Amino acid sequence: ILNVEQSPQSLHVQEGDSTNFTCSFPSSNFYALHWYRWETAKSPEALFVMTLNGDEKKKGRISATLNTKEGYSYLYIKGSQPEDSATYLCAPGTASKLTFGTGTRLQVTL
Amino acid sequence: GAVVSQHPSWVICKSGTSVKIECRSLDFQATTMFWYRQFPKQSLMLMATSNEGSKATYEQGVEKDKFLINHASLTLSTLTVTSAHPEDSSFYICSARLAGSYEQYFGPGTRLTVT
Repeated sequence: ILNVEQSPQSLHVQEGDSTNFTCSFPSSNFYALHWYRWETAKSPEALFVMTLNGDEKKKGRISATLNTKEGYSYLYIKGSQPEDSATYLCAPGTASKLTFGTGTRLQVTL
Repeated sequence: GAVVSQHPSWVICKSGTSVKIECRSLDFQATTMFWYRQFPKQSLMLMATSNEGSKATYEQGVEKDKFLINHASLTLSTLTVTSAHPEDSSFYICSARLAGSYEQYFGPGTRLTVT
């Protein structure tokens, strides 16, 4: 069973703050890592799919890095906005199976 | 693009009855669809994988006779919870994957409450 840990469980920041979360996973047999953003009452939205050690991806103010050798990924949000409030999920896995962490719940206030 | 719908968004049923949940890919053909369940404060747990036109593959511990999955077309998969019990109350969410792609596109989920 793949053990995926995300930290912190929740985070409350002010608008304009930058923040980051961690996803830890067993490094053996790594294939790909997915990050999702999940707003309440909506569908999880795919942010990134990362496969290569040292990979870094960026989408607007959000970026992610991947270290497959030590088994972790960081998600960064620069200049948080209230619309960034959501739960951020990571999921390492193969094309046929993803294993999700419990997520980091981010709340951004004015 | 890559929109997945799920219906119903919530349902309440009585113990012993069956409930069907639909998952549709609206603007693409999904050769593979996945069904997940989430209990409170827990992560999304994969229940089963369905490929169009073939039998679903269930994860260990998931009863295939209780959770019937049908993937009759490239845009529709259904999950039927048979003889529902209160312990089946949970959040059920589906995803769909394009052939040759890593990414899974999720529906908004269905909240099932069994009374």
